[in-house]
Amino acid sequence: DTAVSQTPKYLVTQMGNDKSIKCEQNLGHDTMYWYKQDSKKFLKIMFSYNNKELIINETVPNRFSPKSPDKAHLNLHINSLELGDSAVYFCASSQGTGVKYFGPGTRLTVT
Amino acid sequence: DQQVKQNSPSLSVQEGRISILNCDYTNSMFDYFLWYKKYPAEGPTFLISISSIKDKNEDGRFTVFLNKSAKHLSLHIVPSQPGDSAVYFCAASGGKSDYKLSFGAGTTVTVRA
Repeated sequence: DTAVSQTPKYLVTQMGNDKSIKCEQNLGHDTMYWYKQDSKKFLKIMFSYNNKELIINETVPNRFSPKSPDKAHLNLHINSLELGDSAVYFCASSQGTGVKYFGPGTRLTVT
Repeated sequence: DQQVKQNSPSLSVQEGRISILNCDYTNSMFDYFLWYKKYPAEGPTFLISISSIKDKNEDGRFTVFLNKSAKHLSLHIVPSQPGDSAVYFCAASGGKSDYKLSFGAGTTVTVRA
């Protein structure tokens, strides 16, 4: 009964490909997020959805497109992958602005 | 521009002793602070938080202290246990209307037997 789950856990792909990462939460939270942990280990927010509406959209290339089909799901689609996209991507959820609960992460490697 | 800074990338402590992790912030609008613990290949796990109206919050072996005038907070773990070996992230937000969390770079704690 994982609270926040992500698939896949590992993703290895070539430059130029398009890939998606899926996230689901069963906590009943109304807000979901995508964070990126880069090679320097900083966790930085990319997007946030509250009740399926985009509320945070940081300076992220428009090759990244989040989609929230319902409150429990937030997927991340990445077009034309580049080497610099290699990172660990974490999904998270919260009730309002409360404590964020994170998924296990997806390690994306672009070759 | 990092608004939350953890200047010690690593800390080694003997089992049973106290671990003290430090965190500084620059944004005076931050009023809610959290500590997360992260094991390899897992996501960050919430540990403890503190609101700016308090200067101390305690939960079992974990205590967080907040010094608003110095824009500094610390996490004390006592006694340290081998299972505490992990990366600890300090995070901050602007409170009730702020959905963002700004994270520090993390401190790797190693508890020696």
